[in-house]
Amino acid sequence: GAVVSQHPSRVICKSGTSVKIECRSLDFQATTMFWYRQFPKQSLMLMATSNEGSKATYEQGVEKDKFLINHASLTLSTLTVTSAHPEDSSFYICSAKYTFSTDTQYFGPGTRLTVL
Amino acid sequence: KQEVTQIPAALSVPEGENLVLNCSFTDSAIYNLQWFRQDPGKGLTSLLLIQSSQREQTSGRLNASLDKSSGRSTLYIAASQPGDSATYLCAVRPNDYKLSFGAGTTVTVRA
Repeated sequence: GAVVSQHPSRVICKSGTSVKIECRSLDFQATTMFWYRQFPKQSLMLMATSNEGSKATYEQGVEKDKFLINHASLTLSTLTVTSAHPEDSSFYICSAKYTFSTDTQYFGPGTRLTVL
Repeated sequence: KQEVTQIPAALSVPEGENLVLNCSFTDSAIYNLQWFRQDPGKGLTSLLLIQSSQREQTSGRLNASLDKSSGRSTLYIAASQPGDSATYLCAVRPNDYKLSFGAGTTVTVRA
C-alpha cells in the first residue's frame, strides 16, 4: 500500500514551453502533497505544499507564477512549469501525506525534466 | 532555519564491512528524523523513522540512533552488501510537515 506515482518519469522540452507533471496517490487519500526539486548531488528542496481544494503554499524564493500547482482531488496534484528555461532542468519529486497520518510522507519516483 | 549536514558525502567499502553514516542538524526542536535510500534517478524509499522521544530504531541490518540534544543521528548498516550501494538521505521534521533534507551520503559497496 501507500504508493505514489508520477507521470511522466522523464520529459525533454524546448525552452519557452510549459510542462505538466502529475503526482497521484494510488491507494490512499492525500489531503496534502509536497513538491520538491533536487539538483545533482544536492539535497531535496521543498518547493511548495499543496492542499486539496485550496491554494498551494510556496516556499521562499519559489516563483508561484512559474511553478503552478493544482490539487483538485484527494489523489492528484499537478505541477506545471511555465515558460521553462534550461535552469529549470532538475529532478522533481512529489510526496503525499496520508490524510489520517501525522508522520509519514510517501514519495513518488520522481520526474527528470530537461529543458533544451 | 534548519540546516542538515551529512558526512561523508561519499563512502566506498568492501563487501562485509559495517557502514556508519552521519547526520547533523542545527535546530534540536524536531518532531522526528527519517532516513531514506535513493537509487540513481529514482525516488526515495523510507528506511527508518525515529520519533524525537526515541533514541534508536532498528530494522534488520539497519540501526539508526538519535541524539536530539546534540543534533546528531547515525545510521549503521551491518555487513554491507553490493545491493546496499545507493545514496542515503536523512531528513528532519519540525512540528509542521516540512522535511529538511541533507545532501546525502553516496555509498558504494565493492564486491
